[in-house]
Amino acid sequence: KQEVTQIPAALSVPEGENLVLNCSFTDSAIYNLQWFRQDPGKGLTSLLLIQSSQREQTSGRLNASLDKSSGRSTLYIAASQPGDSATYLCAVFRGTGGGNKLTFGTGTQLKVEL
Amino acid sequence: DAGITQSPRHKVTETGTPVTLRCHQTENHRYMYWYRQDPGHGLRLIHYSYGVKDTDKGEVSDGYSVSRSKTEDFLLTLESATSSQTSVYFCAISSGGGAYTEAFFGQGTRLTVV
Repeated sequence: KQEVTQIPAALSVPEGENLVLNCSFTDSAIYNLQWFRQDPGKGLTSLLLIQSSQREQTSGRLNASLDKSSGRSTLYIAASQPGDSATYLCAVFRGTGGGNKLTFGTGTQLKVEL
Repeated sequence: DAGITQSPRHKVTETGTPVTLRCHQTENHRYMYWYRQDPGHGLRLIHYSYGVKDTDKGEVSDGYSVSRSKTEDFLLTLESATSSQTSVYFCAISSGGGAYTEAFFGQGTRLTVV
């Protein structure tokens, strides 16, 4: 059974800091890994998708890396801003006989303070 | 935003009553999913569909049933609601293209069973 762990569970940083969120998974036979952002009371917004053959993806101040063999991914946020405050979730896609399934970590709650 | 609409957005129901949640997509994606999100458990897969009339169970399927009679609609039914089914329910869609698959989520339905 695929298990996904995110560390830390919560993080508070001052504005402007660069930070790293961690995600680990137990089964490396994945199709891809996706990072999401969730604001309180809202749905999930897709941030980055890394295919299993890729090492990293970048979008603006966000950079996600993937080391499939070791079962790890990191989300790097540069020059953090208060608007980055949210919960960040990673999820892995693993195909099965019936189709793709997403398995989620429990998230990292980020607070960026002025 | 991906064209996903969940209805209702909020519902309060009594224990023992049937409840149906609806997910409607305009993207013509093959795969549709129902997740529930609870504090301390993160997002857990209830059921998913990989085509019209093709569905399969997720990790927390007991007490839930689903139906998909059209590509655009995926219904989640609680046959006899219990307090343990109080949760936020999210619908997701994906094209199901393996490593290129990206998942998109609806805004969620907050269900309270009293």
